[in-house]
Amino acid sequence: DAGVIQSPRHEVTEMGQEVTLRCKPISGHNSLFWYRQTMMRGLELLIYFNNNVPIDDSGMPEDRFSAKMPNASFSTLKIQPSEPRDSAVYFCASSFNRGNTEAFFGQGTRLTVV
Amino acid sequence: GQQVMQIPQYQHVQEGEDFTTYCNSSTTLSNIQWYKQRPGGHPVFLIQLVKSGEVKKQKRLTFQFGEAKKNSSLHITATQTTDVGTYFCAFTSGTYKYIFGTGTRLKVLA
Repeated sequence: DAGVIQSPRHEVTEMGQEVTLRCKPISGHNSLFWYRQTMMRGLELLIYFNNNVPIDDSGMPEDRFSAKMPNASFSTLKIQPSEPRDSAVYFCASSFNRGNTEAFFGQGTRLTVV
Repeated sequence: GQQVMQIPQYQHVQEGEDFTTYCNSSTTLSNIQWYKQRPGGHPVFLIQLVKSGEVKKQKRLTFQFGEAKKNSSLHITATQTTDVGTYFCAFTSGTYKYIFGTGTRLKVLA
């Protein structure tokens, strides 16, 4: 398996633009997580899905952020409109939700909003 | 909600010295996991502990889960430059949501 695949790896965009981050979890995993990492706030859980259903989105900063998981092999995190304070590394992770298991992370998307 | 704090936030050691990071929770945890993130990389799972007082070893790394299941530690013996990175503890809440600690950034000076 290729692991969790995220795209793009880097994104530079202007303030006000829409940004879409993509994630393909490991095949067979039924839990998917979106994290944001910054120096100031560390690794924050934004939202997670179980069997394609959003279970907890309490970490989503505000209405500008939205996430979808239309099927078991694809998820998106959208920011519209983007702001400079959204600049961070966004990680997608997946796991097999069956007892205590590990989370597998993608390589991350480094987002810079100018 | 549940949180875990890690100390120290940063640690610089000379190569060959030992290193320890601690993870503390105010509530009892069902499990504790440890991850390592190399500079510019992504978190990678190291180990999971689930039993009270459990101790596990991976070569120079020793992981411990406290008797009350509220704290954990990671100890590295004789650090090497390849140990550089940020070490996170994490736990899974009731619905398998992974909550990560604040992390300890380790620098090893050659």
